[in-house]
Amino acid sequence: GEDVEQSLFLSVREGDSSVINCTYTDSSSTYLYWYKQEPGAGLQLLTYIFSNMDMKQDQRLTVLLNKKDKHLSLRIADTQTGDSAIYFCAESTGNTPLVFGKGTRLSVIA
Amino acid sequence: EPEVTQTPSHQVTQMGQEVILRCVPISNHLYFYWYRQILGQKVEFLVSFYNNEISEKSEIFDDQFSVERPDGSNFTLKIRSTKLEDSAMYFCASIDDRAYEQYFGPGTRLTVT
Repeated sequence: GEDVEQSLFLSVREGDSSVINCTYTDSSSTYLYWYKQEPGAGLQLLTYIFSNMDMKQDQRLTVLLNKKDKHLSLRIADTQTGDSAIYFCAESTGNTPLVFGKGTRLSVIA
Repeated sequence: EPEVTQTPSHQVTQMGQEVILRCVPISNHLYFYWYRQILGQKVEFLVSFYNNEISEKSEIFDDQFSVERPDGSNFTLKIRSTKLEDSAMYFCASIDDRAYEQYFGPGTRLTVT
């Protein structure tokens, strides 16, 4: 079945860039998403990319997609302590249910 | 900005009891979902709902679970006889008419004792 894999932890210094990586197996994935979950909170949709795109930039966030390798990354520029959270990669083919990775816990050190 | 809301935020129940978790999706959305997240684990799909019927369900969504849209705004998840392993965060989500941005509610933490 479909699977989404992420590394579990990432630690960066405040002001540095963070890069969170994700791989997926479903080649029919049409949409790829990044969600942010702060402690005790729900899932906030950060950004998404269509599978026919290579890159999407949204303020401090840059999403890169390598469809051949089924690799997705989220770069956060100038990482702040408020960016500390769990980041989930997810994929779907549109209105189908999302398949999530296990999440990457980002810790930002002041 | 419109948002998905869920009530209650936290529900404690005894094993064997029935619980109903409530969600109000974003008003012009067409597809509704329930997901759950057991503490420390990934978010798992339970069921999707479209046009007043279940469109897809996972293996987790067994006969103990049911969903309903009792009126034009609410979307509920019922667990008939709760088990300890049902303890989790339950998220409702809805998708807009462009059919690619799923928005999640804040979740209901269900604790079964």
